Amino acid sequence: EVQLVESGGGLVQPGGSLRLSCAASGFTVSGNHMSWVRQAPGKGLEWVSSIYSGDSTYYADSVKGRFTISRDTSKNTLYLQMNSLRAEDTAMYFCARDDGIGTIVWFDYWGQGTLVTVSS
Amino acid sequence: EIVMTQSPATLSVSPGERATLSCRASQSVSRNLAWYQQKPGQAPRLLIYGASSRATGIPARFSGSGSGTEFTLTIGSLQSEDFAVYYCQQYNSWPPMTFGQGTKLEIK
Repeated sequence: EVQLVESGGGLVQPGGSLRLSCAASGFTVSGNHMSWVRQAPGKGLEWVSSIYSGDSTYYADSVKGRFTISRDTSKNTLYLQMNSLRAEDTAMYFCARDDGIGTIVWFDYWGQGTLVTVSS
Repeated sequence: EIVMTQSPATLSVSPGERATLSCRASQSVSRNLAWYQQKPGQAPRLLIYGASSRATGIPARFSGSGSGTEFTLTIGSLQSEDFAVYYCQQYNSWPPMTFGQGTKLEIK
């Protein structure tokens, strides 16, 4: 059974850092494209970042230069390092497994999310 | 960036009736469109990919259609568990992958 479990969220001051983790089971993160999607309170879904084969990485303009996506194959875990956090980064962060071919992919499994609150 | 626009923002339908949700792309996305369902406090769930292919375990009352810039999600004979927010997402041209703003399906 495919499962994704996020952790690492919490309250952080503006300018601070957090590292989110997404532990996968039932498949290998190394063999799949993976993504992070966020949802601000009461708002819609926003794609944040993806990591593909060969460790190619992609970012939304709103987080480029501040966030870094990575994965640890030995721990079968996806990460999102978030630096220079801003109030507008406050959101539930979901990790998702991508399915499809090449760059034509959709999100077939999602974790339950971890909440990040950026506030002083 | 491709902008996805969903309509209506809120749709009120009685149980047992059919619901039709729309999604429009600002430029062609071919058939590279997915639909997700999200209930309060839960993660989104994949319903449809490739504009019309149902994901694993999704009931046959959910169907998707369209191509290019106009897409439709139809839910036949609404069940109580179908009342939720629905999002469309294009994955034809990215980054960024983009979602619609959502349609809230509520009980009439």
